[in-house]
Parts: sequence; C-alpha cells; structure tokens
Amino acid sequence: KQEVTQIPAALSVPEGENLVLNCSFTDSAIYNLQWFRQDPGKGLTSLLLIQSSQREQTSGRLNASLDKSSGRSTLYIAASQPGDSATYLCAVPSGGYNKLIFGAGTRLAVHP
Amino acid sequence: DTAVSQTPKYLVTQMGNDKSIKCEQNLGHDTMYWYKQDSKKFLKIMFSYNNKELIINETVPNRFSPKSPDKAHLNLHINSLELGDSAVYFCASSHSGRNDYGYTFGSGTRLTVV
Repeated sequence: KQEVTQIPAALSVPEGENLVLNCSFTDSAIYNLQWFRQDPGKGLTSLLLIQSSQREQTSGRLNASLDKSSGRSTLYIAASQPGDSATYLCAVPSGGYNKLIFGAGTRLAVHP
Repeated sequence: DTAVSQTPKYLVTQMGNDKSIKCEQNLGHDTMYWYKQDSKKFLKIMFSYNNKELIINETVPNRFSPKSPDKAHLNLHINSLELGDSAVYFCASSHSGRNDYGYTFGSGTRLTVV
C-alpha cells in the first residue's frame, strides 16, 4: 500500500531564504510524481510533474527532483517570497488507474 | 479557458437533506475523480470514472452516489447528509495511460452540514 510522507509539516522562514521540502513514498513503482500548491480556501494548483524516467524538473524558482530507488522527492524553492506562502502537497499515482495518493503537506509561511 | 469547473463553490445545508455537486472538464481527459479534503486538510480519493465507467470506489458510505453522463462530466449526489460529511470536495481529471500528464483539479466545493 502506497504511503506518502512530507517533512516538515510546517515551515516559517524570512523572505529570501532557499527552501527544501521533502517527500517520501513507500512504493517506488510509480509512473510520475506531482507537486501541488494549495492556498488557504482554494483549490490545488499543479506546480511540477516529474516522470519516472526523469531526475528533475524546473519551473522558475522551483526545482523538483526525484530519486525513485530511494523513494524520495524534494522541492527546492529559491529566494522565497511572501507570495510563496501556501501548503505544498506531494502526490504519487497508485494502482492500475493511477489514483493519486497525497502526503499531508508542508505548510509554508514566508514573512517579509 | 480550459479547466475543471465545479458547482456550487459553497453549499450550506441541513442534516438529512440531499444535495448534488457537479463537475465538468474541457481538457479532453478520459478519467475523472472525486476527492474529499477533511478538516485536517488530508486529501483522499472517493471515486474515479474512466470513460463513464466506475473504476475506483473507495470505502465511502453508499449515501454518496457518483454519476458520469459522459467523459467530460462527473456529478456527486449525497443523500441524507450528516454533520461528518462537512468537508471540501474536489473534482479532478487526468489522461489514463499518459505518464507525462498530471491531474488537474477543480477549485473545490465547500460543503457545510448544520
């Protein structure tokens, strides 16, 4: 049974810091891994998707890496800004129809 | 705009009532899902349809009944609402068999049962 864990559960940092959010999963037989952002009271916005054959993906100040063999992914946020404050969710597909299994998220607060 | 759209955005209702949530996607995806986000913000799958066929049915009370009239629409009907049904319900869609495609989520329906 696939389980996804995210560390830390919460993070509060001053503006400008470089951040690393961690995600681990128990079953390494995944097709891809997706990082989402959720703002309070809002829906999920897809940030990055890494296919199983890829090691990393980049979008602007965000970089996500994937190490399937060790069951880990990291989301790196460079030069954090207050607008980055949100909950970041990691999810992997499980089962034949790729139902997404989510971690509990990392709640990020970036203060000026 | 290409998107997954859900209605209504907010739903406040009394215990015992029956309510429906509707979802539509214009992304050309063949698989749609309902997820529930509880008060602790944990997201868990409820149902999934692939080309109108139910393929995932997690342990959900049978008061919840999904319906997919076509592959672009997925509705959720809830009978005899209970306080514990209060949550945010998200619709999502994806391409089956496409590892380079991720999920796209709707903006959610916040259901409050009083």
